[in-house]
Formats: sequence, C-alpha cells, structure tokens
Amino acid sequence: DSGVTQTPKHLITATGQRVTLRCSPRSGDLSVYWYQQSLDQGLQFLIQYYNGEERAKGNILERFSAQQFPDLHSELNLSSLELGDSALYFCASSVVGNPNTGELFFGEGSRLTVL
Amino acid sequence: AQSVTQLGSHVSVSEGALVLLRCNYSSSVPPYLFWYVQYPNQGLQLLLKYTTGATLVKGINGFEAEFKKSETSFHLTKPSAHMSDAAEYFCAVSNSGGYQKVTFGTGTKLQVIP
Repeated sequence: DSGVTQTPKHLITATGQRVTLRCSPRSGDLSVYWYQQSLDQGLQFLIQYYNGEERAKGNILERFSAQQFPDLHSELNLSSLELGDSALYFCASSVVGNPNTGELFFGEGSRLTVL
Repeated sequence: AQSVTQLGSHVSVSEGALVLLRCNYSSSVPPYLFWYVQYPNQGLQLLLKYTTGATLVKGINGFEAEFKKSETSFHLTKPSAHMSDAAEYFCAVSNSGGYQKVTFGTGTKLQVIP
C-alpha cells in the first residue's frame, strides 16, 4: 500500500460527459502528480501541483483541468469526454515539490472507460 | 528536453535466467534516473534510483542498474529471474534541480517462463 488513495477505481461513462477523479496523497506529501496511461500513448504526465499551486504542466488537454485543495487532496476533471480518453489515470505524490530528490508514490489508478 | 527510450516492449526470459531490460536516456543536464515496476492492476512502485555518487545502484527484489554516462544508459539487471518478477518495468528520467517533471519510458513487459 503506497498510501495514495484514488477514487473511483473504475468508471464507465458516455461520450460528451464530465467526470471527476479524486486523489488523496500520502500523509505529509505536498506534491501531487497526475498521469494518464493508455495502450497507445504509454504513461503521459498531465500536471503537477505543489501545496495548492500548479507547478508543471505536461500533455494535458484543454478539456481537462485539475486542482489541489487546502487539505492537499487533488481532483482531475475531465469534460466533453471522447472515446480516446479511455485510460488508466494515476495520481502520485512526493514529499517535496521537486521530484528529483525522491520517489513518486503512485495510487492504484482510476480506470476510465468512455463508451 | 529529456527523454527515455526503452528497447523492447516485451521481453521473455526463463525462470533462473538473467534479466536485462534496456534504457537509454537523453538529457541536456545531469539526469536523475529511476526504474519503476508495475504489477497487474497496481500502481507503479520504485525499484531503484540514481541521483549522484555510485553509478551501480541496487534496488529491491535483487534488481540493480548501472548508470553509464558515456553510453547514456541505465540498464536494469537481475541475475536470476523469478516468476514473481513478471510485470511491466518503466525507466524514467528527471533533470537535476528545479520543479521538473519526471519523463517515463514506454515500458517493458517482462514475461518469465517456467
């Protein structure tokens, strides 16, 4: 158990809909990262937050947004969903904002299926 | 810019044989390098990491990797494969310093044949 909690574990929805994925980082970790894992794209970095502020942005679509709340949990919002958004979405956390000096602790992921 | 190339999306080895998973990186500054493992239906977990110092890094479950700057490589090895090693392995690179994102390779699925 990494200590990172993601909900829901599985989600099935229709095209055009909007979903919210939730992540609770390990106790004490200030940084949260979101990754998308799909068969054709591999593991793609979406966005990073540190103590409530956006720190780095990757290949995140404009239809997607995220935020980190004062209690440090984070939510990833996916809207106007398309079939291609079907993927496993991972949240990871680390102690400090810079991931270079430590490891990332991953949750078990939220599997999104868009029909 | 930084990138990671993992050679071979699938690798099969016999139980007891040497495991060698290849990773080459590209980075404009001294890199930090990581190997993560993902077991079925689980998230990624750190196997080992190289930041500075000794270039041969030992990780969990008997795995080790050697940082070779001249070859821009960070290959993962294990002398004797076990059935429980069957998983997907990801190499990752991060630039030293700053709030840089970690860039992952495309992963290598390891199959261990009894």
